[in-house]
Amino acid sequence: AQTVTQSQPEMSVQEAETVTLSCTYDTSESDYYLFWYKQPPSRQMILVIRQEAYKQQNATENRFSVNFQKAAKSFSLKISDSQLGDAAMYFCAYSGNRDDKIIFGKGTRLHILP
Amino acid sequence: KAGVTQTPRYLIKTRGQQVTLSCSPISGHRSVSWYQQTPGQGLQFLFEYFSETQRNKGNFPGRFSGRQFSNSRSEMNVSTLELGDSALYLCASSLEYGYGDTQYFGPGTRLTVL
Repeated sequence: AQTVTQSQPEMSVQEAETVTLSCTYDTSESDYYLFWYKQPPSRQMILVIRQEAYKQQNATENRFSVNFQKAAKSFSLKISDSQLGDAAMYFCAYSGNRDDKIIFGKGTRLHILP
Repeated sequence: KAGVTQTPRYLIKTRGQQVTLSCSPISGHRSVSWYQQTPGQGLQFLFEYFSETQRNKGNFPGRFSGRQFSNSRSEMNVSTLELGDSALYLCASSLEYGYGDTQYFGPGTRLTVL
């Protein structure tokens, strides 16, 4: 069965600094999708970034980028120039076989220090 | 477009009662998924509906059930409530069924069981 592991339950970063959130996954499939979702305190979960496994190029969205290492089954999220509004719970998620559900990691709570 | 809406936002029930939660997906979205979120267990998948059919189900007891209507709106029902059912219940919609589709989350229903 596929699994998603986020090894850092909590992290802190100084405002304007760069932080990297880790995510590893286990799968025997070759085609799949990976996501990072952000859940701010008391607010709705939103998609941060989406990566298709068959694309070599790492996805980027403004200050957010990923380091996708397919062979290592690693999918880390880098946040550059951290802002107070980046404080949230971040979930890594995997979507593989069409007939299977999306699998979420347990999340990493990110604190931004002013 | 209006986002995913969930009603009610907050609910307090007592053990043994039953509860029905409602989710209205983004217009045009045909897939609805439900998740239970707790501090200890993170996001746990309950079920996914597409075109009024349950396509996937998580590892929850039969007390948890759901359905989807022809307009894609979905309800989930929990019967014989237990203290451990206290959680944030999230609904997410996507355009199509599974595999790579971005999920758009609602604000959640906070259920407290006394």
